[in-house]
Amino acid sequence: GAVVSQHPSWVICKSGTSVKIECRSLDFQATTMFWYRQFPKQSLMLMATSNEGSKATYEQGVEKDKFLINHASLTLSTLTVTSAHPEDSSFYICSGDRAYEQYFGPGTRLTVT
Amino acid sequence: GENVEQHPSTLSVQEGDSAVIKCTYSDSASNYFPWYKQELGKGPQLIIDIRSNVGEKKDQRIAVTLNKTAKHFSLHITETQPEDSAVYFCAASYSSASKIIFGSGTRLSIRP
Repeated sequence: GAVVSQHPSWVICKSGTSVKIECRSLDFQATTMFWYRQFPKQSLMLMATSNEGSKATYEQGVEKDKFLINHASLTLSTLTVTSAHPEDSSFYICSGDRAYEQYFGPGTRLTVT
Repeated sequence: GENVEQHPSTLSVQEGDSAVIKCTYSDSASNYFPWYKQELGKGPQLIIDIRSNVGEKKDQRIAVTLNKTAKHFSLHITETQPEDSAVYFCAASYSSASKIIFGSGTRLSIRP
């Protein structure tokens, strides 16, 4: 149990376009979901915390107008990277909270050309 | 805010030997300390966690110890196997439902 999926697993987009990444908790309900980004050979950096039905809380330095997060239901959160630029290329990972433990998705690799 | 330091950054051990990874944290209010294993191109996988009311926890070949006074916690892997090769992250949090602060990671390699 406690499976989190992400879609797509990888995406390539052109600079200036927007990309949406979905995060789903498949067998549990996640009141809270988290979004991270990870650069090669680096640790995970928390971008934002989202609670179902309310606005996301962004970490310092993360542009909320660029990284739009929607947590519409207890099993789905989405991250939209708007007007993507090459520096947004990264590995994006979500997690969901269940029974006081966080479970992570497999990640989405975004490449902006 | 919380800061988690992790050492070493890389670790190579002979198959069958033990591996130890150490972490320190700064916020005495932290009370939840998970460890994650991340394989290349995948998301982190929770392998073991410990809460502040416990000093040690073991699950088969994996054990974690916590010293709240010193703000240290460690991961111990015994009888290492090739499939243990991965990047391991320690983390600290006030609770699992709140944000988790990750250490910098340890790349563990198991030599055959």
